[in-house]
Amino acid sequence: QVQLVESGGGVVQPGTSLRLSCVASGFMFGSFGMHWVRQAPGKGLEWVAVIWYDGSHEKYGNSVKGRFTISRDNSKNTLLLQMNSLRAEDTAVYYCARVISGTGSFDMWGQGTMVTVSS
Amino acid sequence: DIVMTQTPFSLSVTPGQPASISCKSSQSLLHSDGQTYLYWYLQKPGQPPQLLIYEVSNRFSGVPDRFSGSGAGTEFTLKISRVEAEDVGLYYCMQSIQVPWTFGQGTKVEIK
Repeated sequence: QVQLVESGGGVVQPGTSLRLSCVASGFMFGSFGMHWVRQAPGKGLEWVAVIWYDGSHEKYGNSVKGRFTISRDNSKNTLLLQMNSLRAEDTAVYYCARVISGTGSFDMWGQGTMVTVSS
Repeated sequence: DIVMTQTPFSLSVTPGQPASISCKSSQSLLHSDGQTYLYWYLQKPGQPPQLLIYEVSNRFSGVPDRFSGSGAGTEFTLKISRVEAEDVGLYYCMQSIQVPWTFGQGTKVEIK
């Protein structure tokens, strides 16, 4: 079955850390660039980060740069997002998404995992 | 950052009637490679987004032909020729010509 499944969300206090995972199945994970996109409650979509298919490059959104780290383990078909120094404004559903190489076409999305940052 | 501005914020449409959403970018989305990196996504209630249109006017696999995209440079339009009940949700345009990739604020489409 071709799918992406996120996990690792939860309720955490401001200033703490959390690591999200996204496990891919049914396709050649190591051939695709992968992204994280988030959506705060009742708000629109915000692009978070991208990692190249081979893990050689990463890019980040301005609001998470220096606090979040995207990584991948192609041997385990897993995408990760290490989130440090969490803030209330990081509260959102976090989606992992597969992108068609060289384009902005997110052709596959996970169902998302909810992160709530609250004291 | 490139700002993507969608209008209207919301749309209430009678089934079978057309609908149109505008998206304007603060910078041209035409790349030197000749491609224009403008995409349209639909997020149905309770679901992740799904790709509708890529590179301005190309329908993604399985997308009904009542959906069409047009535009160039900084101004783009998504049209639904005859709205159906299953088309309700939030529509987003997105640019990928420049990091950070940015989305419009979304347009909510409802059925009358």
